[in-house]
This record gives sequence, structure tokens and C-alpha cells, in this order.
Amino acid sequence: GDSVTQTEGLVTLTKGLPVMLNCTYQTTYSPFLFWYVQHLNEAPKLLLKSSTDNKRTEHQGFYATLHKSSSSFHLQKSSVQLSDSALYFCALRDMGYKLTFGTGTSLLVDP
Amino acid sequence: EAAVTQSPRSKVAVTGGKVTLSCHQTNNHDYMYWYRQDTGHGLRLIHYSYVADSTEKGDIPDGYKASRPSQENFSLILELASLSQTAVYFCASRLRGANTEVFFGKGTRLTVV
Repeated sequence: GDSVTQTEGLVTLTKGLPVMLNCTYQTTYSPFLFWYVQHLNEAPKLLLKSSTDNKRTEHQGFYATLHKSSSSFHLQKSSVQLSDSALYFCALRDMGYKLTFGTGTSLLVDP
Repeated sequence: EAAVTQSPRSKVAVTGGKVTLSCHQTNNHDYMYWYRQDTGHGLRLIHYSYVADSTEKGDIPDGYKASRPSQENFSLILELASLSQTAVYFCASRLRGANTEVFFGKGTRLTVV
């Protein structure tokens, strides 16, 4: 079946530094990839999405590029802010109805 | 913005008791989902539905039932609650379509004692 792998459970960074959160996936279908962000005690919200190979997508300073050759959709930001501290989920949707999430990466930004 | 409303927002249930979590969306969305969130496991799909009066099993359906009596409402039922079902439960919905966004409710924190 489909699966999403996020290798980092916790990433701690100082404000202003760049960040990359890893996401790889497995599917036999044409993939749609998403990044969701969940702030403390809130619902997950969509941050980015893509189904186009090798095209960078951006939102709120975050960006990601879907690479089908390596089955990856890593999330990046050039300069993290305190408000970026949250839980980040990578998710995969196949051609059906299911949305499969990774285990999530907690990003903690220090002053 | 699309609205997904869950009730109750928190609940304490007794082991062996019946629990019903409710979800209501006013977005005219076709698909609805129930996920549970546990530390270290992320969001795991329990049940989903793509049309009223029909539900499908997700990845972890054991111990849960679902009901979708109308397009707007989707319930998750724990017939015999167990300690292992203590978690935060999220309902979500989305429109039919290839790349449509999933909208989540604010979650229900369930504690089984």
C-alpha cells in the first residue's frame, strides 16, 4: 500500500536559519503530495501541494519540489521564524480517496 | 473558509462503554474522513466515506464503526471503548477532484479510563 516517510521526529533550529524537512513516499499510482502544518492545539492546515514533477511550489515562505524520480517532496524555508514552530505532516493522495500521512516532524525554533 | 465541526471537543469515557463522535460539514464536500492522532504515529486513517450511506475502512478500522447518514454528517462509533483508543480524533472533508484540499475539524480529545 501507499506510505509516507518522514525521517526526523524533531528538528530544533535558531531563528533565521534555513530548514529542510524530509519527505519520501511510495505509491503505485500517480502521486499528489501535500504538506500540512499543525500549530499547538489546532487543526492541521494545508501549507503546500503538488502533483507536477520537478516544479517548485511556494506558500508563506515555504517551498517544495516534487521529484518523482526520487519519490521525494522535501519542505524547505530559507529563514525560519519563531511562528514556524509547529508539527509538519507530509501526505500522499493516490488516485482514489485516501490521504496517507507521515508520522510528522516537530519544528522548534529558538530565539 | 470551509467549516468542519466536531462534537464533543473532549470526552472522558469508561472502558467498555459506547462512544459516538460526531462531525458536521457545511461545505457540500463529497469525501469525509476520520483520523486519529497519537504521538509518534502521526495521523492514521480509521474510516472514510465518499458518498452518503456508504463508508469504507481505512488503515486502522478495528474497534471502530462509521456512519454517514447524510452528505453533511459523519459519525465515528466506538461500541466498546478501550484504553488503547485514548487519542485525539480528527474529522476532515474535501471536494471531489484530483488535487483538492482536505479541511480538518478542530479535533476531539478522547480519554478512556
